[in-house]
Amino acid sequence: SQTIHQWPATLVQPVGSPLSLECTVEGTSNPNLYWYRQAAGRGLQLLFYSVGIGQISSEVPQNLSASRPQDRQFILSSKKLLLSDSGFYLCAWSPPGAGASGEQFFGPGTRLTVL
Amino acid sequence: GENVEQHPSTLSVQEGDSAVIKCTYSDSASNYFPWYKQELGKGPQLIIDIRSNVGEKKDQRIAVTLNKTAKHFSLHITETQPEDSAVYFCAASTSGTYKYIFGTGTRLKVLA
Repeated sequence: SQTIHQWPATLVQPVGSPLSLECTVEGTSNPNLYWYRQAAGRGLQLLFYSVGIGQISSEVPQNLSASRPQDRQFILSSKKLLLSDSGFYLCAWSPPGAGASGEQFFGPGTRLTVL
Repeated sequence: GENVEQHPSTLSVQEGDSAVIKCTYSDSASNYFPWYKQELGKGPQLIIDIRSNVGEKKDQRIAVTLNKTAKHFSLHITETQPEDSAVYFCAASTSGTYKYIFGTGTRLKVLA
């Protein structure tokens, strides 16, 4: 069976510090991978998605970046955090080739607080 | 671009009553409509989905209806229970785009 992991679960960082959030998927190959941000009481905003190693599509201009160094690893980074980067970050995967017509499976999330 | 509106933002029902959450979408090419349930501090989990070639789908106490002409779809929960309390999100997507457009969520409270 497939599982998705995210870490850390919670993170408190000062403004201007760097960020690295990691997501890994087990039990599948060549998944589509996604990063979402959820602000308090708000919906899910797609930040990045990837359909293969080294392939990253950005949805929203911001000071965040994403990388996919391995098939089942997706990393969200920032060089300098802003207060507005606070939120709940969710990683998700979907089966390869399914496009958006198949289920996306979400990880447990990382709660980021920027002070 | 695609936009998904979801109503209501909050919904309180008595245990045993039904709950209905409605979403409208703007892109007529959308063909997949999942519903997710998110409990506090956790990632969303799919509870039911429907494709554009189907008008209604049911799974025990949960059902989803789709009206392609009007571009809206709804989630129906019957015989609500306290464990149904959560935030529910609708989404719309189009084959080949790899993207879901999510609604803003509905916080459902089932009162015992």
